[in-house]
Amino acid sequence: NAGVTQTPKFQVLKTGQSMTLQCAQDMNHNSMYWYRQDPGMGLRLIYYSASEGTTDKGEVPNGYNVSRLNKREFSLRLESAAPSQTSVYFCASLLSGLNTEAFFGQGTRLTVV
Amino acid sequence: DQQVKQNSPSLSVQEGRISILNCDYTNSMFDYFLWYKKYPAEGPTFLISISSIKDKNEDGRFTVFLNKSAKHLSLHIVPSQPGDSAVYFCAALMIKAAGNKLTFGGGTRVLVKP
Repeated sequence: NAGVTQTPKFQVLKTGQSMTLQCAQDMNHNSMYWYRQDPGMGLRLIYYSASEGTTDKGEVPNGYNVSRLNKREFSLRLESAAPSQTSVYFCASLLSGLNTEAFFGQGTRLTVV
Repeated sequence: DQQVKQNSPSLSVQEGRISILNCDYTNSMFDYFLWYKKYPAEGPTFLISISSIKDKNEDGRFTVFLNKSAKHLSLHIVPSQPGDSAVYFCAALMIKAAGNKLTFGGGTRVLVKP
């Protein structure tokens, strides 16, 4: 059971570089999410997606773009990385209904220097 | 505008005693509430959830209570064990046609002393 898989696990970028964080889930969930976690700040929602082809902004979307090309994959792109984007990024997918639960990936630790 | 708040950043409790974690929310339209546990360098793991139409849900050592009039929920862990030492997050889910928005609180760090 792979669940939610994020790649890469670690990344160091220079200011101004771009990169895409990948996320895939094999549970056939419709809803997927990207969060960032900073020390003492909890999990802040960047973007979320209700289904293939639909995305919506969360609390902290500035500086990010997302893509939901199919049900399985939800990617997060940093077009021009800034030191303020140094964080741990988590992807999640949601099972809603009688046993509502969100499943998380292991996280991507991103450092922008 | 922080819709989900955990006002206690940390909690210390003796092994075997009860841990009570609190969470407040501002939006009465939330449909579900969830609790997560997180160890360093790992993703959050699900503990328990509750529908907004219920006031209590229990699963083993974990019980969640929901007080809708006060917009408050709490997680009780009884008895607390050293392995429970972690950061705990509450989350609120709003189900909409446009998408299911899941919002987290800031977390409470729990330390269970042997």
